[in-house]
Amino acid sequence: QSVLTHPPSASGTPGQRVTISCSGSSSNIGSNDVYWYQQLPGTAPKLLIYRNNQRPSGVPDRFSGSKSGTSASLAISGLRSEDEADYYCAAWDDSLTGYVFGTGTKVTVL
Amino acid sequence: EVQLVESGGAVVQPGGSLRLSCAGSGFSFDDYTMHWVRQVPGKGLEWVSLITWDGSVTYYANSVKGRFTISRDNGKNSLYLQMSSLRTEDTALYYCAKDRLFGWDSFDSWGQGTLVTVSS
Repeated sequence: QSVLTHPPSASGTPGQRVTISCSGSSSNIGSNDVYWYQQLPGTAPKLLIYRNNQRPSGVPDRFSGSKSGTSASLAISGLRSEDEADYYCAAWDDSLTGYVFGTGTKVTVL
Repeated sequence: EVQLVESGGAVVQPGGSLRLSCAGSGFSFDDYTMHWVRQVPGKGLEWVSLITWDGSVTYYANSVKGRFTISRDNGKNSLYLQMSSLRTEDTALYYCAKDRLFGWDSFDSWGQGTLVTVSS
């Protein structure tokens, strides 16, 4: 089962800002970096954010990440139709000695 | 361009075994930690295992520990997952993923996955 929790869904109209939360614990988010992945329908996941708030080359600056304590957030500003996807947070868990993923949030562009 | 191509997925009976392979190209395969991540169709992601560049360090999810073995052959630019004592709950799409770093950090390239179905 997932150790990190997301809201199951989020939505917004084009141009709006959407924020996705990810809640963990002291053994994962509280002591390690957070990563975010985007999975478009029918495709493999794609790295969106690494080390809490860093974007790989090619990822638009509309995507931003933050972390505070045992929680993290992904913000999508200037929402576009191509942002419709599932979004997952992830972190290393010191107790489990492995990575844990969030439950996933489905973003819908209205 | 980084390419990861998984193979070996099949339908197998509970208790059976299967070996997955992942061929990497477009990068220095022996410079990176590699991972397996799985996803039940329509469900979320689950990290399965990692192996460092030289195979000296491996980690497994508790759900597969003792049943799955990760390995690599840098000479063949290949990653493997030997799966045994398979259970119905192991049914999933298995992705091979490259780490962003020499150590372990994030998964910056993914294959398209290979489907494993455990069913009688």
